[in-house]
Amino acid sequence: QQQVKQSPQSLIVQKGGISIINCAYENTAFDYFPWYQQFPGKGPALLIAIRPDVSEKKEGRFTISFNKSAKQFSLHIMDSQPGDSATYFCAASIGNFGNEKLTFGTGTRLTIIP
Amino acid sequence: SQTIHQWPATLVQPVGSPLSLECTVEGTSNPNLYWYRQAAGRGLQLLFYSVGIGQISSEVPQNLSASRPQDRQFILSSKKLLLSDSGFYLCAWSVTLGRSGANVLTFGAGSRLTVL
Repeated sequence: QQQVKQSPQSLIVQKGGISIINCAYENTAFDYFPWYQQFPGKGPALLIAIRPDVSEKKEGRFTISFNKSAKQFSLHIMDSQPGDSATYFCAASIGNFGNEKLTFGTGTRLTIIP
Repeated sequence: SQTIHQWPATLVQPVGSPLSLECTVEGTSNPNLYWYRQAAGRGLQLLFYSVGIGQISSEVPQNLSASRPQDRQFILSSKKLLLSDSGFYLCAWSVTLGRSGANVLTFGAGSRLTVL
């Protein structure tokens, strides 16, 4: 069964610190790994994504680190801000030029305290 | 630009009553459409997806059904709600990013269903 395991379930980080959320997958055929950010009462929105041909992707304060051999990837939020407080979901899919479906992790509730 | 509309935003229904949640997408044609359910602490569970009018695939057996009567309309229904149907329901649509084949999901704002 295709699974993506996400940890921790919840995370509290002080403002200015680094938030790190980890995900592990089983299916080596996965080749697309996005992260979604969800604020309370809203639908998730794509934050950043990576393909396995690179080990790292950075967009502003958000970085995905990817370890293909370990089948793990993680989201790093540098200089974490209260506005980053949200639930974060990792996901994975097999690119099939159209109809592939994402498998989501169970989510991490991130709280940034002043 | 593309937009996705989902309604109602909140709904409180008694056990055994019917359900209809509607989702429409604007600004694109022939999208892939999805219904997800989000239960507390359990992440996003894919319920149904559709690649075209009248084409529905169910991911999990349940008390719910889905229909796609028009290209950009997706409806989630139930004839008789159960307590376990309570949750946050999300409609989403996707596009393929050209040669990369990436499936970018765009979610609606969600519908909060409480079954009493």
